[in-house]
Amino acid sequence: GAVVSQHPSWVICKSGTSVKIECRSLDFQATTMFWYRQFPKQSLMLMATSNEGSKATYEQGVEKDKFLINHASLTLSTLTVTSAHPEDSSFYICSAPAPAGGNYGYTFGSGTRLTVV
Amino acid sequence: KQEVTQIPAALSVPEGENLVLNCSFTDSAIYNLQWFRQDPGKGLTSLLLIQSSQREQTSGRLNASLDKSSGRSTLYIAASQPGDSATYLCAVTGANNLFFGTGTRLTVIP
Repeated sequence: GAVVSQHPSWVICKSGTSVKIECRSLDFQATTMFWYRQFPKQSLMLMATSNEGSKATYEQGVEKDKFLINHASLTLSTLTVTSAHPEDSSFYICSAPAPAGGNYGYTFGSGTRLTVV
Repeated sequence: KQEVTQIPAALSVPEGENLVLNCSFTDSAIYNLQWFRQDPGKGLTSLLLIQSSQREQTSGRLNASLDKSSGRSTLYIAASQPGDSATYLCAVTGANNLFFGTGTRLTVIP
């Protein structure tokens, strides 16, 4: 149980276009979803926290107008990279707190490899 | 702010060896600590979760310990196999978030 499905697993897009990444909690409700970014050979860095029905909270240095986060339902959070540039090429991964009463901790999506050309 | 450090950054061992990965954190006020495995270009796989009230957790050939007072955790891998080659990340949970270590890249040589 406690599976987060993330799509797409990889995407290549042209500079200036937008890319949407989806994360769905398949068998539980995720009121909170965390979005991370990972550059090669570096650890995961938190970008933002999305909360169902309210505005996302962005970490310092993350442009909210560039990385649009929507958490429209208890099972779906999306990250849209707008006007993508090559420096946005990275590995993006979402995470949700695992349901209480079962495994505590966090469960992660499988990640999205974004390449902007 | 919580800082999580993992040593060593990279480790190469011959198959069959037992090994220890280290994780340290600066703020002992944690809810739990989690060890993950990440294969290249893949997402994270949770290996072990230790609650703040626990001292260790075991799963198969893996054993993780937690010493909150000293801000340390170790991941022990017994009888390493080439399939264990991956990056291992530890993460501590605060009130609202995970704080990740920088990872240890493990290579098990056949």
